[in-house]
Amino acid sequence: DAKTTQPPSMDCAEGRAANLPCNHSTISGNEYVYWYRQIHSQGPQYIIHGLKNNETNEMASLIITEDRKSSTLILPHATLRDTAVYYCIVRVPIKYGQNFVFGPGTRLSVLP
Amino acid sequence: DTGVSQDPRHKITKRGQNVTFRCDPISEHNRLYWYRQTLGQGPEFLTYFQNEAQLEKSRLLSDRFSAERPKGSFSTLEIQRTEQGDSAMYLCASSPYSSYNYGYTFGSGTRLTVV
Repeated sequence: DAKTTQPPSMDCAEGRAANLPCNHSTISGNEYVYWYRQIHSQGPQYIIHGLKNNETNEMASLIITEDRKSSTLILPHATLRDTAVYYCIVRVPIKYGQNFVFGPGTRLSVLP
Repeated sequence: DTGVSQDPRHKITKRGQNVTFRCDPISEHNRLYWYRQTLGQGPEFLTYFQNEAQLEKSRLLSDRFSAERPKGSFSTLEIQRTEQGDSAMYLCASSPYSSYNYGYTFGSGTRLTVV
């Protein structure tokens, strides 16, 4: 089972910031939080990941709470092309190593 | 290198037929993963390889499914005697050797429709 919980859907006005929350209360100290998104009929696309410090790249910012039990992905100026399903992922142990387990994600709709 | 390639992009087959999909990972990535995704759901893990060794298989991978990565490069996923419930997007991903700081690169997937 996925180790994260996300709201099933969110709306955001075009040009505004989209803030997507994620809870990962069982995360352990050395596990990273990853964010991917999936636009219809395409494979998941990497956005950003982090351990405990806030991270920023050309796509988004990732804010991780001090206790690391939750995080927020921020798309600073959402466009219509950001409409997608966003997945917050913490890897889970498998027999040899760890693996990405996807939950249902958050369906973000950016509205004109 | 242009990323993870999957072939074909779409496949329509009749129930009971066998199908095979191919995945070409990023060349320096020695881990390769297969996922399945049905409509409205997140991708579900099927199996993964480190080099040519298949290290783990999900219980979703019934005995009609077989995956290979014979030379540690490309991989194939075969489904025998397809059923309508096999209709899904089959995604391949690759990553470098295990560490705590790596992500997966996904291909665009193969969409299978069993009629």
